[in-house]
Order: sequence, then structure tokens, then C-alpha cells
Amino acid sequence: EGQLLESGGGLVQPGGSLRLSCAASGFTFSRYAMSWVRQAPGKGLEWLSGISGYGDSTYLADSVRGRFTISRDNSKDTLYLQMNGLRGEDTAIYYCAKDRLSRNYPYYFDSWGQGTLVTVSS
Amino acid sequence: DIQMTQSPSSVSASVGDRVTITCRASPGTSTWLAWYQQKPGKAPKLLIYAASSLESGVPSRFSGSGSGTEFTLTISSLQPEDFATYFCQQANSFPRTFGGGTKVEIK
Repeated sequence: EGQLLESGGGLVQPGGSLRLSCAASGFTFSRYAMSWVRQAPGKGLEWLSGISGYGDSTYLADSVRGRFTISRDNSKDTLYLQMNGLRGEDTAIYYCAKDRLSRNYPYYFDSWGQGTLVTVSS
Repeated sequence: DIQMTQSPSSVSASVGDRVTITCRASPGTSTWLAWYQQKPGKAPKLLIYAASSLESGVPSRFSGSGSGTEFTLTISSLQPEDFATYFCQQANSFPRTFGGGTKVEIK
């Protein structure tokens, strides 16, 4: 099933930047599409971005388009989310998630990390 | 974007009860739908994919049905460990979207 471990969250001022990382283990990382999903405190789940197994295709939600960039380094079994221009409404727990079956597109998420908290506040 | 609407937003039930949660998709999403369970302080867990396929290791008391615009998650006999929040998610188009969640509480 695989294990995922996020890091890089923390407190950042509005307008600031953060890069989240997600270290994968227990599965062949490059064989699966990956995604980032966030959850604001006490709220529901919001899918943000996905990337194909080879990293040649990326997908973004409109809420973060132009501010967030997803990438992956298959040599390091690591997924990234570069977040720029952060706003108060970006405050959330950020999860990375592995697709259940597909290399090309993120469909269903069968493994999740424990999440990393991002707080945007002055 | 495909909008996912879950109902009810919360339900109170007792151990042994049958619980049904509904998810409506607008526009429709064929059978590209998943259900997740989330407990407080934990990441979501995949229960059902492709509308009705049970994920490996998930108890058979969980079942999913539906296609197009209306889907249901049924817990046939609620167990103590099933008290949690449940989310549906469409996988038909980008962006992937989730329902608002249904909290299953102890009666």
C-alpha cells in the first residue's frame, strides 16, 4: 500500500512561500500518479493538484492556479508542492495522496500521509 | 467543475443500525466515484472506488451503489469503529472534487 510522510509546513506570513515535501516508501513511486489535498480546520477536503507518474503531466485546481506548483523527483521518491503568494484561506492541513492504480491520472487515493499543517498569518 | 452534494450532513445512529449516505453529482460522473472515511486527527481512508468496488481490507458491511448523478454509501450494521465522517469524491473530470462530508454520530 505504501507510506507517505509530508514535511515543510509551518507558520508563514501572507504573501510568503513554502515548499512542502512528501517522501514515499513501500511502493514503486514512479508507477503512480500523486496528488495534494488540503483540509482547512473543521472543513472538508479540497483536491489541489495532481501529477502523473513520470511528471510529464500536471493538473491544478483553479483556487491555486498561478500560485502553487506540483513536481516530483522519482530518483528521490519525493513529491513537492511549491506554494507562493500564500493567503489566510490557504491555512489547512496538507496531505499528499497516492493514486490507487493509475500512472497517468490521479483518480482514487488509496494511501495518504499524516498531513502537514500550514498556517498563514501575520 | 463537478459539484458534489452529500446528505445528510450528519446522522445519529446506534450500533447495529443500517446507515445510508447519499452523494449527488452535478453534472453526472458516470461511476467515477469514491467514498472515504475520516476519523478525527487522521487522514482519510479509501472505502469504495468506481462507485461500488470495495477496497481491499474494508469490511463487507460497507457497500456503494449508483451511477450518473446519484450515489449511496450503505453501512449495513454500524459498528463502534464506524463513527466517523464520510466523504464522496468524483474522479470523472478535473478538478477532482469532494462532497462536504457526512458525520456519523452515536445516538
